[in-house]
Amino acid sequence: QKEVEQDPGPLSVPEGAIVSLNCTYSNSAFQYFMWYRQYSRKGPELLMYTYSSGNKEDGRFTAQVDKSSKYISLFIRDSQPSDSATYLCAMSIVGTDKLIFGTGTRLQVFP
Amino acid sequence: GAGVSQSPSNKVTEKGKDVELRCDPISGHTALYWYRQSLGQGLEFLIYFQGNSAPDKSGLPSDRFSAERTGGSVSTLTIQRTQQEDSAVYLCASSYRAGRETQYFGPGTRLLVL
Repeated sequence: QKEVEQDPGPLSVPEGAIVSLNCTYSNSAFQYFMWYRQYSRKGPELLMYTYSSGNKEDGRFTAQVDKSSKYISLFIRDSQPSDSATYLCAMSIVGTDKLIFGTGTRLQVFP
Repeated sequence: GAGVSQSPSNKVTEKGKDVELRCDPISGHTALYWYRQSLGQGLEFLIYFQGNSAPDKSGLPSDRFSAERTGGSVSTLTIQRTQQEDSAVYLCASSYRAGRETQYFGPGTRLLVL
């Protein structure tokens, strides 16, 4: 079993929809959680990060962490075609420097 | 400012040949990471360098893989006697320092071993 599980999709939604992307993890030592966005043939770029359970909002994006369930989510409101990309969750143990990534979920937002 | 750059952007090689992949981190970043991204897989950590400390090589899949970082800046990932299963995108990232700093990724080198 992988330490981080993520549905690879693809997920196809119409413009304006609310998108929910999720990851589960098995290592309770993970304390630092991130979401990266990767456009085709580009490197990943950091979207959001959080250290604690609860919600963190940034514009149309909300990151949610539930440590008791070992479950993290990224919500995208009013999705746009420009949001079409692969979204990767990543996490690490405080005090270590390695990120453990999910496989990524491919999102397609159609006009 | 300039981001992380990697070269070549694409590399096709024959099984058994050696390849070298280069990464130029963001100026001033002391931490440098190498990852591998295979089809259907997430990013797999390979190795990271932090300043002048000994690198963390715990993610290297075999002794055919090695990396060095010269002068605390440019890094080269070398794969000896390439195998078809080495075909992947090799991504480099740098951060101001290791730990909870944001990692900035380059565009990757797409390696195809025939």
